[in-house]
Amino acid sequence: AQTVTQSQPEMSVQEAETVTLSCTYDTSESDYYLFWYKQPPSRQMILVIRQEAYKQQNATENRFSVNFQKAAKSFSLKISDSQLGDAAMYFCAYRSARWGGNEKLTFGTGTRLTIIP
Amino acid sequence: DTGVSQNPRHKITKRGQNVTFRCDPISEHNRLYWYRQTLGQGPEFLTYFQNEAQLEKSRLLSDRFSAERPKGSFSTLEIQRTEQGDSAMYLCASSLVHIRGYTFGSGTRLTVV
Repeated sequence: AQTVTQSQPEMSVQEAETVTLSCTYDTSESDYYLFWYKQPPSRQMILVIRQEAYKQQNATENRFSVNFQKAAKSFSLKISDSQLGDAAMYFCAYRSARWGGNEKLTFGTGTRLTIIP
Repeated sequence: DTGVSQNPRHKITKRGQNVTFRCDPISEHNRLYWYRQTLGQGPEFLTYFQNEAQLEKSRLLSDRFSAERPKGSFSTLEIQRTEQGDSAMYLCASSLVHIRGYTFGSGTRLTVV
């Protein structure tokens, strides 16, 4: 079974600064997807960024980028130029890419990010 | 695209009562998922449907839980004889098969007193 570990329950960063959230995972599969989701107080889980394991290039979405280290099974999220609206719980998630699979997500326990004005 | 809608947003019930939640997915999405999220934890998979067929259930889903998706449209999740341990956020999500991400609803928060 796959597991996802987020070792930082809480993080804080000054507005406009950069912060990195850590995630490690364990799997015996070679092909999979990794995600970072954001859950603000409004509760709706929002996809931030997605990485396919077969791609060596790290995914980037505007101010959000990842550092994907497949051999180390590490998948960190970097948020640049932090904004007040980035304050939320951030969840790392894993999904198998096995054909015919159920596409369920396995989540970590989350990191609460606080933005300091 | 009106998103994934869940009702009610909050439900308070007495222990032993039955409750039912509803999820309306994005209309063209053929997969629908239920997750449970307890305080301080990430969501945990409960079950999923492809169209009207329930294809997998987690062992977290005891026999007091039942989910349906008649006609492959909206879905309901019923909990019978609720227990305090059922208190959680119940999240619904939908997707198209083979599309890599899915859309979550805002959840139903259940409190069992």
